[in-house]
Amino acid sequence: DAMVIQNPRYQVTQFGKPVTLSCSQTLNHNVMYWYQQKSSQAPKLLFHYYDKDFNNEADTPDNFQSRRPNTSFCFLDIRSPGLGDTAMYLCATSRQGGSYNSPLHFGNGTRLTVT
Amino acid sequence: AQTVTQSQPEMSVQEAETVTLSCTYDTSENNYYLFWYKQPPSRQMILVIRQEAYKQQNATENRFSVNFQKAAKSFSLKISDSQLGDTAMYFCAFMKPRYGNKLVFGAGTILRVKS
Repeated sequence: DAMVIQNPRYQVTQFGKPVTLSCSQTLNHNVMYWYQQKSSQAPKLLFHYYDKDFNNEADTPDNFQSRRPNTSFCFLDIRSPGLGDTAMYLCATSRQGGSYNSPLHFGNGTRLTVT
Repeated sequence: AQTVTQSQPEMSVQEAETVTLSCTYDTSENNYYLFWYKQPPSRQMILVIRQEAYKQQNATENRFSVNFQKAAKSFSLKISDSQLGDTAMYFCAFMKPRYGNKLVFGAGTILRVKS
């Protein structure tokens, strides 16, 4: 019944070794988001895609990139992970621009550990 | 910039009792949306309840209701007849319409329901 699916659930990578997290959705939503959630902190928006338009947050490190090859899939690439990138990464979707009538739908998250 | 503050890092409540989680926010906007999301342990974040700022009537969803005080910029969540399944992290969130689809989260409140 899951509609926003993130893989893998858990990922361990070494310092500096590139890693890719994936997100897929069956909702046919226009917008896909990536949030970073560090332990005991609020989720922080990294970037989002409105259809094919990529929107980066000003304070998202250059180390983080994203790809959206089609409506259903979105990837988060971390080129050279640092220890500080250890976090839960949440993918979310919304119809159109996100609103009262189109709230965000979240996946289960990928817990990334950088060693 | 909008900020969301949840002043209670952790709370406990006995099963079947009522609990209120606090949330305040800061904005100069007149119209916006407010949400409460629930994140159970190791499970996905789900929407609990939502409120449009221009609506004075407080939103209600079964056992969940809000006390929206626009002038005070306060948006508290009341959970009645608490159940063990309500144990989760609760996030208050703010969204400005048509503004980059950004959902700004508070730091969260861990709620533990005890039997």
